[in-house]
Amino acid sequence: AQSVTQLDSHVSVSEGTPVLLRCNYSSSYSPSLFWYVQHPNKGLQLLLKYTSAATLVKGINGFEAEFKKSETSFHLTKPSAHMSDAAEYFCLYSGAGSYQLTFGKGTKLSVIP
Amino acid sequence: NAGVTQTPKFQVLKTGQSMTLQCAQDMNHNSMYWYRQDPGMGLRLIYYSASEGTTDKGEVPNGYNVSRLNKREFSLRLESAAPSQTSVYFCASSEAGVRNEQFFGPGTRLTVL
Repeated sequence: AQSVTQLDSHVSVSEGTPVLLRCNYSSSYSPSLFWYVQHPNKGLQLLLKYTSAATLVKGINGFEAEFKKSETSFHLTKPSAHMSDAAEYFCLYSGAGSYQLTFGKGTKLSVIP
Repeated sequence: NAGVTQTPKFQVLKTGQSMTLQCAQDMNHNSMYWYRQDPGMGLRLIYYSASEGTTDKGEVPNGYNVSRLNKREFSLRLESAAPSQTSVYFCASSEAGVRNEQFFGPGTRLTVL
């Protein structure tokens, strides 16, 4: 069975500094991987996705993520945090050829002015 | 386009009561999903429907039933609510299959007393 680990439950950064949110997965299948963002009392919105094309994926709002098969990782980064980035972020794994869908437990990002 | 809509937004039930959560999408998507979100647990898949006329169990199906009424609508039923079902429920849809972006509804906050 696959699993997804978001290594930090809470990350705090200062406005204008880089953001790193970590996600590792474990599975023997070729995955599709997604990052979603959830603002308070809202549904989830897709930031970016990896589906076996380029390993460096660019998303909305300046976010990007790099798929590293050797490290089974898909970490989310942004060069400069903005106050509006404060939210909860979820990594999603989906397995090839089946409805294997596993979310990480989420990382809450706080941005300090 | 409204995207994915869910009703109701909030609901309070007593233990043993039943209710149906409604979900509809206007994007002509084939696949639809029901998740529950609990603090510190991320989102967990309850049921999914790969296409009209098919439904399958996800990670946490016990205590729930679903109906894919037509291509647009996917309902979730709690036959006999329990306090452990207190959660926020999200419906989502995607074009076809798990490699595509899922679009989420705004959620239903359910409390079972």
